[in-house]
Amino acid sequence: DTGVSQDPRHKITKRGQNVTFRCDPISEHNRLYWYRQTLGQGPEFLTYFQNEAQLEKSRLLSDRFSAERPKGSFSTLEIQRTEQGDSAMYLCASSLMGTSYNEQFFGPGTRLTVL
Amino acid sequence: DQQVKQNSPSLSVQEGRISILNCDYTNSMFDYFLWYKKYPAEGPTFLISISSIKDKNEDGRFTVFLNKSAKHLSLHIVPSQPGDSAVYFCAARKSGANNLFFGTGTRLTVIP
Repeated sequence: DTGVSQDPRHKITKRGQNVTFRCDPISEHNRLYWYRQTLGQGPEFLTYFQNEAQLEKSRLLSDRFSAERPKGSFSTLEIQRTEQGDSAMYLCASSLMGTSYNEQFFGPGTRLTVL
Repeated sequence: DQQVKQNSPSLSVQEGRISILNCDYTNSMFDYFLWYKKYPAEGPTFLISISSIKDKNEDGRFTVFLNKSAKHLSLHIVPSQPGDSAVYFCAARKSGANNLFFGTGTRLTVIP
């Protein structure tokens, strides 16, 4: 399977705990995005990488959130001191710079439940 | 503020008929529009897109129409098939930007 993969698919944690999600983009894609989707809403942009550089962060990305893409391949999204409001589906997408309008291809998401 | 709006949360259509999903946007800086389809427990799957320099793009059973003056786009599926049953998201991108703005989705049910 050469699509975007995310791990884990589901995560249940207690409020106050830290969690980390991983995203593996399509291998030749140099752009990687994180989105968050809550019930009844569309995905909302969190942050974007071009290779290893984090080029844009949404105001939704509070200081408890940090994302990395250390070698320009996979990415991690960490949430510290989780709150119940962090419960959502976290989606990763990737695209190839230079292609027509850079269509983004999404992974299956990680569903986070904070108790 | 919701810059991309899908005002119909659900739509039911008979198999073989046309499905029309609508989307409105407010930001005139959007220059590229996409439709994604989402099945349960999967991420959104890219379906079709259109640039603001065009008013129509067709791909098989799927056609997207863009009316820039009305800030409105629509996705036509004809003929509709039961396998088309999914949630459809409209998305838009600003000129020079990379992130997408999504609508809230329309759940399409195609009745056999």
